[in-house]
Amino acid sequence: DTAVSQTPKYLVTQMGNDKSIKCEQNLGHDTMYWYKQDSKKFLKIMFSYNNKELIINETVPNRFSPKSPDKAHLNLHINSLELGDSAVYFCASSREQGDGYTFGSGTRLTVV
Amino acid sequence: EDQVTQSPEALRLQEGESSSLNCSYTVSGLRGLFWYRQDPGKGPEFLFTLYSAGEEKEKERLKATLTKKESFLHITAPKPEDSATYLCAAFSGGYNKLIFGAGTRLAVHP
Repeated sequence: DTAVSQTPKYLVTQMGNDKSIKCEQNLGHDTMYWYKQDSKKFLKIMFSYNNKELIINETVPNRFSPKSPDKAHLNLHINSLELGDSAVYFCASSREQGDGYTFGSGTRLTVV
Repeated sequence: EDQVTQSPEALRLQEGESSSLNCSYTVSGLRGLFWYRQDPGKGPEFLFTLYSAGEEKEKERLKATLTKKESFLHITAPKPEDSATYLCAAFSGGYNKLIFGAGTRLAVHP
Protein backbone atom coordinates (compact mmCIF):
# COMPACT_ATOMS: atom_id res chain seq x y z
CA ASP A 1 0.00 0.00 0.00
CA THR A 2 1.28 3.43 -0.93
CA ALA A 3 1.81 5.55 2.20
CA VAL A 4 1.31 8.98 0.58
CA SER A 5 -0.40 8.97 -2.79
CA GLN A 6 -0.91 11.88 -5.14
CA THR A 7 -3.02 12.13 -8.25
CA PRO A 8 -2.50 12.85 -11.01
CA LYS A 9 1.20 12.09 -11.57
CA TYR A 10 1.32 14.32 -14.64
CA LEU A 11 -0.84 17.32 -15.48
CA VAL A 12 -0.55 19.38 -18.66
CA THR A 13 -2.91 22.31 -18.95
CA GLN A 14 -3.32 25.67 -20.61
CA MET A 15 -2.79 29.04 -19.00
CA GLY A 16 -5.86 30.37 -17.28
CA ASN A 17 -7.31 26.95 -16.43
CA ASP A 18 -8.20 25.78 -12.93
CA LYS A 19 -6.87 22.42 -11.73
CA SER A 20 -6.70 20.30 -8.58
CA ILE A 21 -4.16 17.85 -7.21
CA LYS A 22 -5.28 15.29 -4.65
CA CYS A 23 -3.27 13.77 -1.81
CA GLU A 24 -4.09 10.99 0.61
CA GLN A 25 -2.01 9.36 3.35
CA ASN A 26 -2.73 6.09 5.12
CA LEU A 27 -0.09 6.43 7.83
CA GLY A 28 -2.37 7.93 10.46
CA HIS A 29 -0.22 11.08 10.51
CA ASP A 30 -1.64 14.30 11.94
CA THR A 31 0.25 16.79 9.75
CA MET A 32 0.28 17.15 5.97
CA TYR A 33 2.18 19.49 3.67
CA TRP A 34 2.44 20.78 0.14
CA TYR A 35 5.88 21.50 -1.26
CA LYS A 36 6.86 22.93 -4.64
CA GLN A 37 10.06 21.77 -6.37
CA ASP A 38 11.25 24.13 -9.06
CA SER A 39 13.40 23.43 -12.10
CA LYS A 40 16.54 23.70 -9.96
CA LYS A 41 15.18 20.93 -7.71
CA PHE A 42 14.77 23.31 -4.77
CA LEU A 43 11.96 22.19 -2.42
CA LYS A 44 9.97 24.99 -0.84
CA ILE A 45 7.07 24.65 1.56
CA MET A 46 3.73 26.08 0.51
CA PHE A 47 1.24 24.93 3.14
CA SER A 48 1.06 22.84 6.27
CA TYR A 49 -2.06 21.42 7.91
CA ASN A 50 -2.36 19.82 11.31
CA ASN A 51 -5.57 17.88 11.97
CA LYS A 52 -7.37 19.73 9.18
CA GLU A 53 -6.25 23.14 10.43
CA LEU A 54 -3.95 25.43 8.44
CA ILE A 55 -0.64 25.89 10.28
CA ILE A 56 1.68 27.35 7.66
CA ASN A 57 0.76 29.46 4.68
CA GLU A 58 3.90 30.71 2.97
CA THR A 59 3.92 33.65 0.59
CA VAL A 60 1.99 31.73 -2.03
CA PRO A 61 -0.36 33.53 -4.47
CA ASN A 62 -3.97 33.28 -3.34
CA ARG A 63 -4.70 31.44 -6.59
CA PHE A 64 -3.47 28.42 -4.63
CA SER A 65 -6.00 27.12 -2.14
CA PRO A 66 -5.45 24.01 -0.04
CA LYS A 67 -8.37 22.03 1.34
CA SER A 68 -8.27 19.35 4.00
CA PRO A 69 -11.60 17.50 4.33
CA ASP A 70 -10.08 15.21 6.99
CA LYS A 71 -6.63 14.59 8.41
CA ALA A 72 -5.87 11.90 5.81
CA HIS A 73 -6.46 14.16 2.82
CA LEU A 74 -4.95 17.43 1.64
CA ASN A 75 -5.90 18.68 -1.80
CA LEU A 76 -4.45 21.62 -3.70
CA HIS A 77 -6.60 23.71 -6.01
CA ILE A 78 -5.00 26.19 -8.36
CA ASN A 79 -6.98 28.91 -10.14
CA SER A 80 -6.00 30.82 -13.27
CA LEU A 81 -2.84 28.82 -13.91
CA GLU A 82 0.24 30.72 -15.09
CA LEU A 83 3.38 29.56 -16.90
CA GLY A 84 5.41 30.10 -13.73
CA ASP A 85 3.30 27.54 -11.88
CA SER A 86 5.00 24.77 -13.86
CA ALA A 87 6.87 22.63 -11.33
CA VAL A 88 6.66 19.37 -9.44
CA TYR A 89 4.32 19.52 -6.46
CA PHE A 90 4.91 17.13 -3.57
CA CYS A 91 2.55 16.19 -0.81
CA ALA A 92 4.04 14.94 2.46
CA SER A 93 2.92 13.91 5.91
CA SER A 94 4.44 13.49 9.35
CA ARG A 95 3.29 12.20 12.72
CA GLU A 96 4.06 15.55 14.29
CA GLN A 97 5.75 18.74 13.12
CA GLY A 98 9.48 18.18 13.44
CA ASP A 99 9.26 14.44 12.69
CA GLY A 100 10.60 12.86 9.49
CA TYR A 101 8.33 13.51 6.54
CA THR A 102 6.99 10.85 4.17
CA PHE A 103 6.65 12.24 0.66
CA GLY A 104 4.39 11.28 -2.20
CA SER A 105 5.83 10.64 -5.64
CA GLY A 106 4.96 14.11 -6.92
CA THR A 107 2.73 15.72 -9.53
CA ARG A 108 4.51 17.26 -12.50
CA LEU A 109 2.45 20.27 -13.56
CA THR A 110 3.16 21.79 -16.97
CA VAL A 111 1.34 24.97 -17.95
CA VAL A 112 1.43 25.74 -21.67
CA GLU B 1 16.61 34.36 7.67
CA ASP B 2 16.76 30.59 8.10
CA GLN B 3 18.91 28.97 5.43
CA VAL B 4 20.33 25.59 4.45
CA THR B 5 23.26 25.36 2.02
CA GLN B 6 24.60 22.15 0.52
CA SER B 7 27.92 21.51 -1.20
CA PRO B 8 29.06 20.41 -3.63
CA GLU B 9 26.21 20.91 -6.05
CA ALA B 10 27.26 17.79 -7.94
CA LEU B 11 29.74 15.03 -7.18
CA ARG B 12 31.06 12.30 -9.41
CA LEU B 13 32.73 9.30 -7.77
CA GLN B 14 34.22 6.05 -8.92
CA GLU B 15 32.75 2.96 -7.34
CA GLY B 16 34.51 2.40 -4.01
CA GLU B 17 35.76 6.00 -3.75
CA SER B 18 34.57 7.34 -0.36
CA SER B 19 33.57 10.99 0.06
CA SER B 20 31.47 13.40 2.11
CA LEU B 21 28.59 15.76 1.36
CA ASN B 22 28.27 18.96 3.36
CA CYS B 23 25.19 20.73 4.70
CA SER B 24 25.59 24.02 6.55
CA TYR B 25 22.62 25.57 8.24
CA THR B 26 21.50 28.78 9.89
CA VAL B 27 18.14 28.26 11.54
CA SER B 28 16.44 29.66 14.60
CA GLY B 29 15.94 26.95 17.18
CA LEU B 30 17.05 23.86 15.29
CA ARG B 31 14.73 20.99 16.17
CA GLY B 32 16.21 18.39 13.85
CA LEU B 33 18.48 17.97 10.85
CA PHE B 34 17.17 15.60 8.19
CA TRP B 35 18.78 13.80 5.26
CA TYR B 36 16.75 12.55 2.33
CA ARG B 37 17.57 10.70 -0.87
CA GLN B 38 15.70 11.59 -4.07
CA ASP B 39 15.77 9.47 -7.22
CA PRO B 40 14.69 10.97 -10.57
CA GLY B 41 10.91 11.19 -10.91
CA LYS B 42 10.31 10.21 -7.29
CA GLY B 43 9.66 11.91 -3.99
CA PRO B 44 12.37 12.35 -1.35
CA GLU B 45 12.98 9.25 0.76
CA PHE B 46 13.79 9.74 4.45
CA LEU B 47 17.26 8.60 5.54
CA PHE B 48 18.20 10.11 8.93
CA THR B 49 17.28 12.61 11.60
CA LEU B 50 19.92 14.14 13.86
CA TYR B 51 18.89 16.19 16.87
CA SER B 52 22.01 17.33 18.69
CA ALA B 53 25.64 18.19 17.98
CA GLY B 54 27.86 15.13 18.17
CA GLU B 55 25.11 12.74 17.14
CA GLU B 56 25.86 10.19 14.43
CA LYS B 57 23.64 7.75 12.55
CA GLU B 58 24.51 5.01 10.08
CA LYS B 59 22.69 3.06 7.43
CA GLU B 60 24.59 0.67 5.18
CA ARG B 61 27.28 2.77 3.41
CA LEU B 62 25.93 6.08 4.71
CA LYS B 63 26.82 7.86 7.93
CA ALA B 64 25.42 11.23 8.98
CA THR B 65 27.05 13.50 11.56
CA LEU B 66 26.01 16.82 13.09
CA THR B 67 27.83 19.82 14.55
CA LYS B 68 26.41 23.13 15.71
CA LYS B 69 26.77 24.64 12.25
CA GLU B 70 26.81 21.81 9.74
CA SER B 71 26.08 18.21 8.97
CA PHE B 72 28.01 15.73 6.86
CA LEU B 73 26.82 12.71 4.96
CA HIS B 74 29.74 10.33 4.59
CA ILE B 75 29.53 7.71 1.86
CA THR B 76 31.89 4.79 2.28
CA ALA B 77 32.81 2.63 -0.73
CA PRO B 78 29.82 3.81 -2.78
CA LYS B 79 28.13 1.67 -5.41
CA PRO B 80 26.36 2.81 -8.58
CA GLU B 81 22.99 2.29 -6.87
CA ASP B 82 23.91 5.09 -4.44
CA SER B 83 23.58 7.56 -7.32
CA ALA B 84 20.82 10.03 -6.45
CA THR B 85 20.26 13.56 -5.21
CA TYR B 86 20.84 13.87 -1.46
CA LEU B 87 18.82 16.55 0.28
CA CYS B 88 19.51 18.09 3.64
CA ALA B 89 16.75 19.85 5.60
CA ALA B 90 16.62 21.65 8.92
CA PHE B 91 13.52 21.95 11.03
CA SER B 92 13.28 25.51 12.30
CA GLY B 93 11.63 25.73 15.68
CA GLY B 94 11.37 29.48 15.22
CA TYR B 95 9.35 29.22 12.02
CA ASN B 96 7.95 25.73 12.66
CA LYS B 97 8.86 24.41 9.22
CA LEU B 98 11.31 22.16 7.40
CA ILE B 99 13.75 24.12 5.24
CA PHE B 100 15.52 22.27 2.46
CA GLY B 101 18.88 22.81 0.84
CA ALA B 102 19.22 22.62 -2.94
CA GLY B 103 20.72 19.12 -2.81
CA THR B 104 23.88 17.36 -3.98
CA ARG B 105 23.60 15.27 -7.16
CA LEU B 106 25.76 12.20 -6.66
CA ALA B 107 26.82 10.01 -9.57
CA VAL B 108 28.77 6.83 -8.84
CA HIS B 109 30.38 5.19 -11.84
CA PRO B 110 31.52 1.55 -12.06
